[in-house]
Amino acid sequence: DIQMTQSPSSLSASVGDRVTITCRASQSIHSFLHWYHQKPGKAPNLLIYSASSLQSGVPSRFSGSGSGTDFTLTITSLQPEDFGTYYCQQSFTTPYTFGQGTKLEIK
Amino acid sequence: QVQLQESGPGLVKPSQTLSLTCTVSGGSISSGGYYWNWIRQHPGKGLEWIGYVFHTGSTSYNPSLKSRVSISVDTSKNQFSLRLTSVTTADTAVYYCARDVQWLALGHWGQGTLVTVSS
Repeated sequence: DIQMTQSPSSLSASVGDRVTITCRASQSIHSFLHWYHQKPGKAPNLLIYSASSLQSGVPSRFSGSGSGTDFTLTITSLQPEDFGTYYCQQSFTTPYTFGQGTKLEIK
Repeated sequence: QVQLQESGPGLVKPSQTLSLTCTVSGGSISSGGYYWNWIRQHPGKGLEWIGYVFHTGSTSYNPSLKSRVSISVDTSKNQFSLRLTSVTTADTAVYYCARDVQWLALGHWGQGTLVTVSS
């Protein structure tokens, strides 16, 4: 299985801050990397697909970059509704695997 | 807009079989081209992909569950289903169904259903 490792595991930031979350794959997954946001008690919501493509309806303050094994999710100008947990996921090969999550707290 | 809704028992006894159904609306499974997935999330934990079914009935499963899991599709009812046999308390989780979008990303999710394994 491809292992996905996110960092940090948690962070606290203020409204208006720029936040960066990284995700590393145990082998190359090309651009088959996606980012999700999950709020407590809710299903995950797709933010970014294929490493850098913004899903329809997702605010432009979210962006993604990377290819191969190293990827980054950036949130510019953090908003209160951005709290929750962020997950990366690879779909290069089955079994699809997720990172362990990054819990974002708004200060 | 496609919508997915999980249904099934919220409580299953150990050693029994967990059965869930995902009903799809706003789109037809038989139109093809998409993978219909099951994912689970243990309480307070991360996400685990269980497997998917294609509209043809072709499947792929997580090897960690492969001996116990089956996913099937009923295009006449626009539903797909999950069966997990010989459950233990370790199978207690919220179970989600989801459909892929571009690049096999999971762009449409059900709301999730909590299944508790307990005697």
